[in-house]
Amino acid sequence: DIVMTQSPLSLPVTPGEPASISCRSSQSLLHSKGYNSLDWYLQKPGQSPQLLIYWGSHRASGVPDRFSGSGSGTDFTLKISRVEAEDVGVYYCMQALETPRSFGQGTKLEIK
Amino acid sequence: QVQLVESGGGVVQPGRSLRLSCAASGFAFNSFEMDWVRQAPGRGLEWVALTSYDGGNTRYADSVRGRFTVSRDNSKNTVYLQVNSLTVEDTAVYYCARAVYGGSLDFWGQGTLVAVSS
Repeated sequence: DIVMTQSPLSLPVTPGEPASISCRSSQSLLHSKGYNSLDWYLQKPGQSPQLLIYWGSHRASGVPDRFSGSGSGTDFTLKISRVEAEDVGVYYCMQALETPRSFGQGTKLEIK
Repeated sequence: QVQLVESGGGVVQPGRSLRLSCAASGFAFNSFEMDWVRQAPGRGLEWVALTSYDGGNTRYADSVRGRFTVSRDNSKNTVYLQVNSLTVEDTAVYYCARAVYGGSLDFWGQGTLVAVSS
């Protein structure tokens, strides 16, 4: 099974400052069709998770362009160019290359 | 608009069973893989199971294989999760989600709580 590891687990950020979250997988997530099967989700307090980024770097519909995803193979990064108050919550990466699907432990972003 | 509404959760004793339902609307349900994901209180997300668009292919997490069964009725736009032999470790909010792009979960329901307690 693929193990997903996120860091940091806690991320205090000043509004307007950038933020970065790392996600590493225990094996390559490069799909045979050429994309990386790595998603990023945000779970805001009291809400269901929402898809932010799919295929490692593609923003989902309606996601602000301050969110970006990068990486390939086993190392991936989610970046927020300028954090806003509404970005608080827990961020998860998930691999969709094979089953069982697996999530990272989550990174809790809070506002300083 | 896409809507997913889970139901069927509740408080049950260890060893008992429940059937969770997820009613879908606003999209061509019979064209999409559907997944179940759970979240224990104060914990992270755990993927549970999936069913292909026609129900012909199902997959499970190791922790639930043999106890949980995912199925769907495309005539009712509903996906189900039969959960048997429940243990306290199964206590969680259970979400259904639509899968696109090879497994990305683009829409999620609000979740239904399963609490296993004696």
